[in-house]
Amino acid sequence: DQQVKQNSPSLSVQEGRISILNCDYTNSMFDYFLWYKKYPAEGPTFLISISSIKDKNEDGRFTVFLNKSAKHLSLHIVPSQPGDSAVYFCAACDSWGKLQFGAGTQVVVTP
Amino acid sequence: DAGITQSPRHKVTETGTPVTLRCHQTENHRYMYWYRQDPGHGLRLIHYSYGVKDTDKGEVSDGYSVSRSKTEDFLLTLESATSSQTSVYFCAISDRGRVEAFFGQGTRLTVV
Repeated sequence: DQQVKQNSPSLSVQEGRISILNCDYTNSMFDYFLWYKKYPAEGPTFLISISSIKDKNEDGRFTVFLNKSAKHLSLHIVPSQPGDSAVYFCAACDSWGKLQFGAGTQVVVTP
Repeated sequence: DAGITQSPRHKVTETGTPVTLRCHQTENHRYMYWYRQDPGHGLRLIHYSYGVKDTDKGEVSDGYSVSRSKTEDFLLTLESATSSQTSVYFCAISDRGRVEAFFGQGTRLTVV
């Protein structure tokens, strides 16, 4: 039973607009959340993270929001660029270091 | 790039044979992970290690075993390969287990 869920398998967005990716989790023991980006035939690469004691973390065009009461986090990409086209994975980690991922969302940025 | 190497990168094997995948790191990171990536399922955790000889199961551990006899190597063994284990396998390493993990390039395994 996957404890990290990304319910949107794909997202299409115009270049320059905002991309919003969503993620839900079920395990209240998760205390650290991360987003990864993956291109075909490569390993995932780290994008941005947030601790459970925070509700927002920003890094350039990327912002992650955490709503603990709803067990929900989101990633905002503003503005979206063609190079952002990739699969994005949400991940969550508990205090024992167990790191679990969602199913991913394929983002396509169109001109 | 983090020093993490997976071997082999590609393998075709027959049903019922044992297979071992190797993950080697040069970063001296404490945590190591094995994942499989399948369409529609994303990355699913098979096993992970939080130290030498310390391992624990993930979401999809049935049919897999792991060993970590030294910090730098984490081995994943398919005891008797089945077609359902055809997948891309990724190893990851992390320094503190609660920060970013670095991934290897992946191993594409085909069981025929």
